[in-house]
Amino acid sequence: AQSVTQLDSQVPVFEEAPVELRCNYSSSVSVYLFWYVQYPNQGLQLLLKYLSGSTLVKGINGFEAEFNKSQTSFHLRKPSVHISDTAEYFCAVSDQAAGNKLTFGGGTRVLVKP
Amino acid sequence: EAGVTQSPTHLIKTRGQQATLRCSPISGHTSVYWYQQALGLGLQFLLWYDEGEERNRGNFPPRFSGRQFPNYSSELNVNALELEDSALYLCASSTWGGETQYFGPGTRLLVL
Repeated sequence: AQSVTQLDSQVPVFEEAPVELRCNYSSSVSVYLFWYVQYPNQGLQLLLKYLSGSTLVKGINGFEAEFNKSQTSFHLRKPSVHISDTAEYFCAVSDQAAGNKLTFGGGTRVLVKP
Repeated sequence: EAGVTQSPTHLIKTRGQQATLRCSPISGHTSVYWYQQALGLGLQFLLWYDEGEERNRGNFPPRFSGRQFPNYSSELNVNALELEDSALYLCASSTWGGETQYFGPGTRLLVL
């Protein structure tokens, strides 16, 4: 069975400061990894994904993530956040043996302060 | 190109009633997934449909069911509603065998 752990439930950060959201996963097979963002009262928007290849993945809105197989991590980073980045962020792993159903972490709520 | 659409946006039911939620996938996508986002329980996989067949289901009771139509749209039915069914229900779609799911805005179900 797969599992995803997001180590921080809430991350307060000042505007224009960097932010890192941590994600660790466990899986017995090769994985696809995703970060989604959820703005208040909305669905999930795909930020970025790792399928294969380069371990540094760039996504939308200036976000990037690094896949580290040895540490089973997929941390999300942004060098300078904006007020509009206030949202909840979800890390997810795909179960390829089950039609790519997603297993999500518990989410990290990012609050950007002016 | 239109994204995944869901209807209704909000639904209020009383305990014991039935709820029907609808989802239209992105054009060209054949797989539809349903997830439940309940307070305190996070995002949980409910069901996966592809080519009109239920392919996989999560750890939910049988009163959660659904179907997929020939145009690949999907319905989620929840029978005998319980208070704890109150949640945001998210639909996602992908191409057949596709690794990336794209989500709709969700239907917020409130059971009173």
